[in-house]
Amino acid sequence: NAGVMQNPRHLVRRRGQEARLRCSPMKGHSHVYWYRQLPEEGLKFMVYLQKENIIDESGMPKERFSAEFPKEGPSILRIQQVVRGDSAAYFCASSPFDGPYEQYFGPGTRLTVT
Amino acid sequence: DAKTTQPNSMESNEEEPVHLPCNHSTISGTDYIHWYRQLPSQGPEYVIHGLTSNVNNRMASLAIAEDRKSSTLILHRATLRDAAVYYCILIPLIQGAQKLVFGQGTRLTINP
Repeated sequence: NAGVMQNPRHLVRRRGQEARLRCSPMKGHSHVYWYRQLPEEGLKFMVYLQKENIIDESGMPKERFSAEFPKEGPSILRIQQVVRGDSAAYFCASSPFDGPYEQYFGPGTRLTVT
Repeated sequence: DAKTTQPNSMESNEEEPVHLPCNHSTISGTDYIHWYRQLPSQGPEYVIHGLTSNVNNRMASLAIAEDRKSSTLILHRATLRDAAVYYCILIPLIQGAQKLVFGQGTRLTINP
């Protein structure tokens, strides 16, 4: 059973460009979470999605950031007009159920904004 | 969100047991106690979780105090690969509320 997959693993964008980060959850998992880890800082929750629904987006910046988890295909975290402060590691996790169950993390996408 | 308190760092020797403490004095009756770890340059990894009873799995054991105000993650025989930051996190039994709130964790160093 393949684990959580994220791509790309490394992404370089110039200021003002768009970044699209993809996350394929583990097979059978319909709950996806995105977390961000800024350099030398801790992990911060961004958004929790179920198929076609955003459940909790309390950690998402109000502008430029959006996330989706369509019925078919991977979850996408989209950052428009990136700035240097967006440089970070973005981790996706998945779980099979809604509840206090373990979350399985992907290897992350390391975004560098130049 | 109920808060947890962990030591910033701990050090142990290879092949010895390690006891990682976590205080959560404001825990509610339906909060689950989860432990995750993050190895250098990797994503977090689930370790173990429990509610009231002690739990064992292939990675570790979780000892939960009778009053649930503290818990201890036990690595029975540490290896160099166990060097990581360990996070103790409380997750409520509320639908849609299982985001992980990471504190500063405990940075565990294993000496060869």
